[in-house]
Amino acid sequence: AAGVIQSPRHLIKEKRETATLKCYPIPRHDTVYWYQQGPGQDPQFLISFYEKMQSDKGSIPDRFSAQQFSDYHSELNMSSLELGDSALYFCASSLIGQGAGYTFGSGTRLTVV
Amino acid sequence: EDKVVQSPLSLVVHEGDTVTLNCSYEVTNFRSLLWYKQEKKAPTFLFMLTSSGIEKKSGRLSSILDKKELSSILNITATQTGDSAIYLCAVGTPPPTSYGKLTFGQGTILTVHP
Repeated sequence: AAGVIQSPRHLIKEKRETATLKCYPIPRHDTVYWYQQGPGQDPQFLISFYEKMQSDKGSIPDRFSAQQFSDYHSELNMSSLELGDSALYFCASSLIGQGAGYTFGSGTRLTVV
Repeated sequence: EDKVVQSPLSLVVHEGDTVTLNCSYEVTNFRSLLWYKQEKKAPTFLFMLTSSGIEKKSGRLSSILDKKELSSILNITATQTGDSAIYLCAVGTPPPTSYGKLTFGQGTILTVHP
């Protein structure tokens, strides 16, 4: 069965650089969510998109932006990276109305040095 | 602000033991409570609970929601070393204010020794 695909799996960037994380949701899922999980922390909601429109915003820094494209894949753009941005970034997708349909990708581990 | 609290934060048991993990929540608009198991990477779905008092079971795992107490428990019987993981509880909030955003608890780290 198709799963949520995230790329890259690992990313190492230097401070002040820019990173772009990609997420390909499960086919026919209409909602994409981004979460950030710091070392030893629970996942924190960043932002979500429903039918290519931003639907909710959590604790996403102004240095980050995201969008969902016409093919439903989503990208999280992170600029002026800081050491504290080092974390596991998860993408999840769901179909509205299916509360159990939150399927997570394997995550992108971002290390900022 | 929505809040989900899990306890204990960490638990070490021996194979064969039974464990109970707790999750309590304070959210503005409750839709569902979900349990996830997280090993090395992505959380994997265990249960979704929406109705109070109805137990959901999957093998040695079971879970129940108590909406009056704003809490849920996850039971694992006859634990195995493969059950070692972080167990995350999350509460889903409904549209229209949020399209199913999840608020996670901090997780319970379960370690099962042989």
